[in-house]
Amino acid sequence: LAKTTQPISMDSYEGQEVNITCSHNNIATNDYITWYQQFPSQGPRFIIQGYKTKVTNEVASLFIPADRKSSTLSLPRVSLSDTAVYYCLVLVISYGQNFVFGPGTRLSVLP
Amino acid sequence: DTGVSQDPRHKITKRGQNVTFRCDPISEHNRLYWYRQTLGQGPEFLTYFQNEAQLEKSRLLSDRFSAERPKGSFSTLEIQRTEQGDSAMYLCASSSRTSGGAGEQFFGPGTRLTVL
Repeated sequence: LAKTTQPISMDSYEGQEVNITCSHNNIATNDYITWYQQFPSQGPRFIIQGYKTKVTNEVASLFIPADRKSSTLSLPRVSLSDTAVYYCLVLVISYGQNFVFGPGTRLSVLP
Repeated sequence: DTGVSQDPRHKITKRGQNVTFRCDPISEHNRLYWYRQTLGQGPEFLTYFQNEAQLEKSRLLSDRFSAERPKGSFSTLEIQRTEQGDSAMYLCASSSRTSGGAGEQFFGPGTRLTVL
């Protein structure tokens, strides 16, 4: 199966911009790359999805290069409540269709 | 609340017993997914349905695991002859077909299974 990689953890201060990159190979050429946020004892929550180039919504931006071998989630001006684990999700076509989550990046926002 | 619901929220069982979990997706969603998550890891894909059809099952999934989605509404995940390694959080998610395969999925709160 394809492998996705993310930094294990990141620290930031309130008000800073945070960028988290996920590397992914062998992903489906015609499907989204999606990012989720997860708090302890809760299911993941959708943040943003994109296919290529740049996507922005009210909470984040997503940058995807042309080769789609990576994606970068950008969180502007983080607050303490953004402390959570962030996952990328991609569709991999290998021995069938597999929805592959990255290992997760634990973001700690400090005051 | 019209979100994804899962039942039970917690299950403790002894090794060798069978367990069954239920997931009720968002009513207008025709896709339903099951994942397993162990502590400190990302969710691991198990299987997914479009309406009542099971379209994909992870090749890593033991044949002790089976899932159904009769009538394309709620779904059940059964684990037979549970093992201690099955202890995990079992997550259910749903999506509409237009959101794409890896597009926006709505997750339930999960069922935490502990096998003694």
